[in-house]
Amino acid sequence: DAKTTQPTSMDCAEGRAANLPCNHSTISGNEYVYWYRQIHSQGPQYIIHGLKNNETNEMASLIITEDRKSSTLILPHATLRDTAVYYCIVRVAGGVQGAQKLVFGQGTRLTINP
Amino acid sequence: NAGVTQTPKFQVLKTGQSMTLQCAQDMNHEYMSWYRQDPGMGLRLIHYSVGAGITDQGEVPNGYNVSRSTTEDFPLRLLSAAPSQTSVYFCASSYMDREGGYTFGSGTRLTVV
Repeated sequence: DAKTTQPTSMDCAEGRAANLPCNHSTISGNEYVYWYRQIHSQGPQYIIHGLKNNETNEMASLIITEDRKSSTLILPHATLRDTAVYYCIVRVAGGVQGAQKLVFGQGTRLTINP
Repeated sequence: NAGVTQTPKFQVLKTGQSMTLQCAQDMNHEYMSWYRQDPGMGLRLIHYSVGAGITDQGEVPNGYNVSRSTTEDFPLRLLSAAPSQTSVYFCASSYMDREGGYTFGSGTRLTVV
């Protein structure tokens, strides 16, 4: 299974871009990278996912390196409400009937400071 | 459209008691799963299902049973609760045939004393 490595914690000033790195050096060619966040003890919230190309949605941008061994989640204008634990996950195949499973790591605790 | 609904939100059990955590989704998702989250930790997969009648184990299945008789519901049963099962439990669902995010429920906080 592909595993991910993230910094334990990061700080960012409100209004600035928050750039969260993730290493996934053992990722397979058809495995997607997913990002989720968890605010306090709420259920994780889906942010974005990608395979090879950079992706952008209303919440964030995802930059994946050409060799796919790492990626960066970018929150362009961080607010205090973006304070959360951010999980970088590779969705792994191999489950029953080809099911793909999300295997969570420890994540990065992002703190947005006023 | 309610998404993923988990009940109850809080529960206290005595060691040895049994109970069922309920999870229901109204998005016609084929895939449903249960995770547990211990304090300061990431989520760990307990069991998952890819459709009615089809379930499989995740990383930490011991002490838990599941079954899936309908597309909408995926209950998690604790047969004989132990203090080590004190945790927050999350249910999640998604489509099987397309890439996309999981939808998570708001969680059940379980304490076993």
